Amino acid sequence: SQQGEEDPQALSIQEGENATMNCSYKTSINNLQWYRQNSGRGLVHLILIRSNEREKHSGRLRVTLDTSKKSSSLLITASRAADTASYFCATETGGFKTIFGAGTRLFVKA
Amino acid sequence: DVKVTQSSRYLVKRTGEKVFLECVQDMDHENMFWYRQDPGLGLRLIYFSYDVKMKEKGDIPEGYSVSREKKERFSLILESASTNQTSMYLCASSIAGQGNTGELFFGEGSRLTVL
Repeated sequence: SQQGEEDPQALSIQEGENATMNCSYKTSINNLQWYRQNSGRGLVHLILIRSNEREKHSGRLRVTLDTSKKSSSLLITASRAADTASYFCATETGGFKTIFGAGTRLFVKA
Repeated sequence: DVKVTQSSRYLVKRTGEKVFLECVQDMDHENMFWYRQDPGLGLRLIYFSYDVKMKEKGDIPEGYSVSREKKERFSLILESASTNQTSMYLCASSIAGQGNTGELFFGEGSRLTVL
């Protein structure tokens, strides 16, 4: 069974709007990461948040982590057409196991 | 710039053929991983290696084997390809970190079709 599940599965917004994607997981984690994947390409690491952190920023990205609810959110502010991609959360529980969710497909309309 | 290179972006093989997928990283990373990606299932770990000549099974190792003779190279082998192994295969590497994977650096992927 999947550890991380993203919500929504797909999201379509206008350029300039904010995009929020959520991730829920089932067991305790060491850290949670977000990755981006352009169609047909490999994944690119966006941000890592440790289990003892609650919020992290990187450029237009803001990630929150609520370990009591076992959930995380990724906010992309002022989205651009180039942000169109699939976004995956990945939870690390130790033992070299990083478990990926099925992803959220984001489409940003110009 | 960090780089993980997968030798083949697209492959078409026949059922029963032996298939080699090669991955090379130039970052001197200890850890290397093979995932497969299928629609709706996310990425699933096939095998990983945390050192030269070391290998560990991931979540779906059946039908696959791996080889890591040199630190920079991690090969995935399908001994006898089957149609249910049609998938996107992604190689990744990361720096050693006390049993944690940490940030993964991915290759561009190898899309394998088995007829």
